[in-house]
Amino acid sequence: DVKVTQSSRYLVKRTGEKVFLECVQDMDHENMFWYRQDPGLGLRLIYFSYDVKMKEKGDIPEGYSVSREKKERFSLILESASTNQTSMYLCASSPGQRNTEAFFGQGTRLTVV
Amino acid sequence: AQSVTQPDIHITVSEGASLELRCNYSYGATPYLFWYVQSPGQGLQLLLKYFSGDTLVQGIKGFEAEFKRSQSSFNLRKPSVHWSDAAEYFCAVGEGGGADGLTFGKGTHLIIQP
Repeated sequence: DVKVTQSSRYLVKRTGEKVFLECVQDMDHENMFWYRQDPGLGLRLIYFSYDVKMKEKGDIPEGYSVSREKKERFSLILESASTNQTSMYLCASSPGQRNTEAFFGQGTRLTVV
Repeated sequence: AQSVTQPDIHITVSEGASLELRCNYSYGATPYLFWYVQSPGQGLQLLLKYFSGDTLVQGIKGFEAEFKRSQSSFNLRKPSVHWSDAAEYFCAVGEGGGADGLTFGKGTHLIIQP
């Protein structure tokens, strides 16, 4: 089975802190994604990566950055956390070829106080 | 730009009754369509997907969905729901299997009445 693992299920951080959300996948997938999920808004794409050291902005990249130094790991970085970044964050991965679905991690519930 | 509309925010169904969750999409080319389910506090699990071919697709847990190009719809159905089906359901559209990420609807919260 494909496994996408997010390092934390719950995080509480203070405003202004630098926050790292880590995601690891074990199926050698080329593509990795970070989504944010908010009630009534569904999932929105923050950033994605289709190769090591490559990154592309999604629909809501402001206030976030990402890092992909190794194929299996994709990190989401909040440079200076703010309360409006309190949310559920979901990581996903998919193989590089077409006609495949994305596999999701369990999510990280981030609260910024 | 592609978009997905799930017109029902909440749906309440009695256990054993049939279910249909609606999904409409906007996409310029042939879409790749997905239904995911999310149980409370969990990530998303794929129920089924449509890429091409037979417009009626079967998924896990007894779910099916029908792609209707003329109506730009991809509705999810189940003939008899179980209490364990209570969850959030998301319809999504993507290109080429999601290499550029998926566009999700806002979700439908399914409540099962005993």
